[in-house]
Amino acid sequence: EAQVTQNPRYLITVTGKKLTVTCSQNMNHEYMSWYRQDPGLGLRQIYYSMNVEVTDKGDVPEGYKVSRKEKRNFPLILESPSPNQTSLYFCASSPFWTDFPNTGELFFGEGSRLTVL
Amino acid sequence: TQLLEQSPQFLSIQEGENLTVYCNSSSVFSSLQWYRQEPGEGPVLLVTVVTGGEVKKLKRLTFQFGDARKDSSLHITAAQPGDTGLYLCAGAVNTGFQKLVFGTGTRLLVSP
Repeated sequence: EAQVTQNPRYLITVTGKKLTVTCSQNMNHEYMSWYRQDPGLGLRQIYYSMNVEVTDKGDVPEGYKVSRKEKRNFPLILESPSPNQTSLYFCASSPFWTDFPNTGELFFGEGSRLTVL
Repeated sequence: TQLLEQSPQFLSIQEGENLTVYCNSSSVFSSLQWYRQEPGEGPVLLVTVVTGGEVKKLKRLTFQFGDARKDSSLHITAAQPGDTGLYLCAGAVNTGFQKLVFGTGTRLLVSP
């Protein structure tokens, strides 16, 4: 089954304790991205990756790191989590958007709900 | 930063009613997508509209892209409880590659 898998789905942690949220896709997509979802703010992009070893900042990258060493994996790292990073996080992937202006479809994982105390 | 405002933010209706959700911006988008998100799941693409004035229908859902490609609407006819969810619009901007900017979301509850 084609899917984007995130882990963990739920996590409660404390301020300053490093954590990693994993994301893996089995669709051979080149593009991957992380979003955070907060009430009334919609989805905001944290980081994205156009391909292996190519990553760039989205709209809200502060406090986050990513890496793309393999095509299928795109982990999100919070080196020193703070309470303002409490949120619902989504990983998404898409085939490379070469068909301008027909934007490719984003395939989302089920989300990871993170609480930082 | 482009902003996409959706209205209303919340909508609670009875089964069988019609409704319209609006997605507005001052920016021009090359295309616009609508996603639906159900509790505990990620958003799922419903439709992509590309041409100004374009209308697409998906069963009881009708999507329209504004003539100036700055706004869009989603109309649901005879809503059903299965339509319940969070509806998100997303506009594509060309920043050297296609980037999606998501709207603020409209949460719809359809009661039997």
